[in-house]
Amino acid sequence: EAGVAQSPRYKIIEKRQSVAFWCNPISGHATLYWYQQILGQGPKLLIQFQNNGVVDDSQLPKDRFSAERLKGVDSTLKIQPAKLEDSAVYLCASSFLGQNSPLHFGNGTRLTVT
Amino acid sequence: GQQVMQIPQYQHVQEGEDFTTYCNSSTTLSNIQWYKQRPGGHPVFLIQLVKSGEVKKQKRLTFQFGEAKKNSSLHITATQTTDVGTYFCALNSGGYQKVTFGIGTKLQVIP
Repeated sequence: EAGVAQSPRYKIIEKRQSVAFWCNPISGHATLYWYQQILGQGPKLLIQFQNNGVVDDSQLPKDRFSAERLKGVDSTLKIQPAKLEDSAVYLCASSFLGQNSPLHFGNGTRLTVT
Repeated sequence: GQQVMQIPQYQHVQEGEDFTTYCNSSTTLSNIQWYKQRPGGHPVFLIQLVKSGEVKKQKRLTFQFGEAKKNSSLHITATQTTDVGTYFCALNSGGYQKVTFGIGTKLQVIP
């Protein structure tokens, strides 16, 4: 099966600029996650969708981050304006519905804010 | 929300030595997942434990879930250089399957 697709792989922007990341989950996976992974730390959940509805965005900095999953398939995550501390790898993952379903991750987008 | 402590954060071993990482929670867990992330890669699912006292094996890897379902461990027998990476435990909670990751244990294997 095709894996989770993410783009771009790398992005370098200046602080206060905006950036968007795209994710296409595995076909049939109703649940989609965006994680932020700062170097040397574990992935931190930013937002979780089930189909096209948000089920958890408690750790999303809503003053600058936004995400959507139109039609319950592809998703985009946007940062506007970016700060230096947003430098991280942004990982998208998907899974089937159900509590025992493993997460499948994409290769991530490495963001550097200068 | 639920949190998990993972120790040690770093471990260097000689090739052929054993390795163990531990995951501890203050609350009872419904289940726990383990992932491996190679340097420069993304987390890859290894296994899920659901039952109290459960033990599962994958070749040289042994996964255990504590009797009280508050802790878990991953043991690697006779490490190889291919085992290098960061091992994460992850809690699966909530009715909608929120998955929270620990800080991870970074394993270095010295040939």
